Amino acid sequence: NAGVMQNPRHLVRRRGQEARLRCSPMKGHSHVYWYRQLPEEGLKFMVYLQKENIIDESGMPKERFSAEFPKEGPSILRIQQVVRGDSAAYFCASTSGTANTGELFFGEGSRLTVL
Amino acid sequence: AQRVTQPEKLLSVFKGAPVELKCNYSYSGSPELFWYVQYSRQRLQLLLRHISRESIKGFTADLNKGETSFHLKKPFAQEEDSAMYYCALSGHGGSQGNLIFGKGTKLSVKP
Repeated sequence: NAGVMQNPRHLVRRRGQEARLRCSPMKGHSHVYWYRQLPEEGLKFMVYLQKENIIDESGMPKERFSAEFPKEGPSILRIQQVVRGDSAAYFCASTSGTANTGELFFGEGSRLTVL
Repeated sequence: AQRVTQPEKLLSVFKGAPVELKCNYSYSGSPELFWYVQYSRQRLQLLLRHISRESIKGFTADLNKGETSFHLKKPFAQEEDSAMYYCALSGHGGSQGNLIFGKGTKLSVKP
């Protein structure tokens, strides 16, 4: 089991461009979570998705950010018109949904740099 | 507001010495607390949770509701314990994976 796979690992964008981050959950997992880690900060919850559904997006910025988890394929976190403040590490985690509360399996993260 | 505070950014101890990584929380209900660890070049992974009352790799953590703390302890630190440690709280909202993380403490165990 390869675990949670995220790509790209590193992404550089200029201000105003779009960033797309992808996450494939562990085999057998259908629940995906996205977290953001700003420099010198802890991880901050952004969004929780199940296949084709957004369950909790309470941590998502109101504008420019969106997430999806289609029936087929990876979950995608999309950031439109990136700004320098979007520079961060974005982590994806997955669970089977039946695991004990709090046991998340994390990917290695995608580091976004906005020039 | 729900919050997790890890007051130490860096903790450095010698091998064989006791180690305590501090974690304090602010939460209005019955908390569920966890310690996650990230070893060098590895993914963030669950170390232990207070519900299980288990000892993992010699580490233990006791939930103290009176002091709102969940400190991580190990009596004799080993070099392989060097890592980044994050305390986390399970928050509201119905999402099992909606965790509130502290900023983390980097533990360095010197030979």
